[in-house]
Amino acid sequence: EAAVTQSPRNKVAVTGGKVTLSCNQTNNHNNMYWYRQDTGHGLRLIHYSYGAGSTEKGDIPDGYKASRPSQENFSLILELATPSQTSVYFCASGEPATGQLYFGEGSKLTVL
Amino acid sequence: GQQVQQSPASLVLQEGENAELQCNFSTSLNSMQWFYQRPGGSLVSLFYNPSGTKHSGRLTSTTVIKERRSSLHISSSQTTDSGTYLCALERGNTNKVVFGTGTRLQVLP
Repeated sequence: EAAVTQSPRNKVAVTGGKVTLSCNQTNNHNNMYWYRQDTGHGLRLIHYSYGAGSTEKGDIPDGYKASRPSQENFSLILELATPSQTSVYFCASGEPATGQLYFGEGSKLTVL
Repeated sequence: GQQVQQSPASLVLQEGENAELQCNFSTSLNSMQWFYQRPGGSLVSLFYNPSGTKHSGRLTSTTVIKERRSSLHISSSQTTDSGTYLCALERGNTNKVVFGTGTRLQVLP
């Protein structure tokens, strides 16, 4: 069974602070994704990666950076957090040949 | 504009009724997937169905690429089916997977 784990699961940050959300997958998938989910918007793609060392912008990348230091790990970085980034963030890994995705449990971020 | 549109946005059923959820897309498709999400929960894959029809218990997924649509049929609904159903597609051969806004289903006892 595919396994994607996110940390932290819950985070409260202050405006202007730095936040790092981490994601680890044991599926050996090349592709990894970061989404945020907000009421009325569904899941929106922030950044994704084709493999170690690569990051690509999704549909809403502004205010976010991503880092893929290894096949297993993909981080989402908010250098200067803002209240508008309060959301639930989901990480996923995917099989390039099929596009099938496997999700983590989500990370709830509150920026005060 | 929105490349993946789901309908209806919300649906209320009595237990035992059937439901038909739709996903329409305006972009070329490499893969199509349906997910179920409990309130506040993670996403569980229901179907990976880039084309044709697939069955799993009371669920049936049908994707018709030429018509740019995919549907999820739930038969004999149960209260435990309540939650949000999301479709997701990979655009062309880009590895970029995008989601519809979901259908919120409530099944009443």
